[in-house]
Amino acid sequence: AQKITQTQPGMFVQEKEAVTLDCTYDTSDPSYGLFWYKQPSSGEMIFLIYQGSYDQQNATEGRYSLNFQKARKSANLVISASQLGDSAMYFCAMRELSGTYKYIFGTGTRLKVLA
Amino acid sequence: DVKVTQSSRYLVKRTGEKVFLECVQDMDHENMFWYRQDPGLGLRLIYFSYDVKMKEKGDIPEGYSVSREKKERFSLILESASTNQTSMYLCASSSPDRGGSPLHFGNGTRLTVT
Repeated sequence: AQKITQTQPGMFVQEKEAVTLDCTYDTSDPSYGLFWYKQPSSGEMIFLIYQGSYDQQNATEGRYSLNFQKARKSANLVISASQLGDSAMYFCAMRELSGTYKYIFGTGTRLKVLA
Repeated sequence: DVKVTQSSRYLVKRTGEKVFLECVQDMDHENMFWYRQDPGLGLRLIYFSYDVKMKEKGDIPEGYSVSREKKERFSLILESASTNQTSMYLCASSSPDRGGSPLHFGNGTRLTVT
């Protein structure tokens, strides 16, 4: 069965520093997609970045990059040059691409950026 | 931009009441989803639908049902609300066109059952 694990309930980072949020996953499907979402205190879910299982390169979107290590089944989110506005909950999610439309989520990591 | 609209931001209901949570999306997406979000548990999938009148159980369907009579609308029904259904409910939609299609979320409904 597919599963997402985020082992860091909370993290602190100093403003302007980089931070890595961990995500490991489990699936038997060779074809899958991995997503990261940000949820600020206002509650909306904001899509950040996507990585496909067959993508050769790690995904990047502005200050966000995804450190994809397929053999280790990890898809860590790296935020460079942290800003105060990055303080939020971050969720890792996965969708198996063979025969289901389910997206499953991890339990999230609460990131606090310190001035 | 995709817009997913949930009818209520906050809702307070009594135990045993039948509760309807409504969700509408305006991007002609085939797939729609209902999640509940609880502290420490992340988002858990209740039900999803990949076509009109089609539905599939997610990971925690007990105590819930859904209705999708039109493509743009997906309703979550609590047949007899209980206090353990107090939670934040998030509706989402996606296009099945590409594997990388992200979920687009509504702003959530915070339901309190007393």
